[in-house]
Amino acid sequence: SQQGEEDPQALSIQEGENATMNCSYKTSINNLQWYRQNSGRGLVHLILIRSNEREKHSGRLRVTLDTSKKSSSLLITASRAADTASYFCATDADSYKLIFGSGTRLLVRP
Amino acid sequence: DAGITQSPRHKVTETGTPVTLRCHQTENHRYMYWYRQDPGHGLRLIHYSYGVKDTDKGEVSDGYSVSRSKTEDFLLTLESATSSQTSVYFCAISEPGQGYYEQYFGPGTRLTVT
Repeated sequence: SQQGEEDPQALSIQEGENATMNCSYKTSINNLQWYRQNSGRGLVHLILIRSNEREKHSGRLRVTLDTSKKSSSLLITASRAADTASYFCATDADSYKLIFGSGTRLLVRP
Repeated sequence: DAGITQSPRHKVTETGTPVTLRCHQTENHRYMYWYRQDPGHGLRLIHYSYGVKDTDKGEVSDGYSVSRSKTEDFLLTLESATSSQTSVYFCAISEPGQGYYEQYFGPGTRLTVT
């Protein structure tokens, strides 16, 4: 069973626009992580937010976490064509095991 | 890909044959993982290892076995491949730091079982 579920499943935006992806999960967590996967490649870690944090920034990425709603969002500002990828949230079932959602496919049109 | 290689990168095999996939790391990380990725399912954990000869099952372990005789190598074996095991397989590694486990992924192995 999957802990994280991303929404939307697919998102198409124009270059320069912001992209927002949401993740919902079911059980209590210690941390929530976001990963990116370019086509045909392995996943790459983007950012982690701890359960006692509400918001975190890294460059053009902004992650929020609402533990009361068991949800997180990833905002990519001023998107670029190179941001085209699939984005996954991952929650820690046990501290060393992650459960991944099914991902959001982002297409940034030039 | 953070010092992680997977071999082979592509494989086509027939139903009923045994298949072994290899994950090799040069990072000396303690934890290693095998996932499969299928459309609509994201990544699902097959098996993981928390040290040499220490392994445990993940979410979808039926039909798979693993071995880890050295820190750097983690092998995934399909004892008798079935068409339902057609998938892309990813290896990942992690080492605890600051209380969380960021994972680093290999490039993947695309396996087709005919």
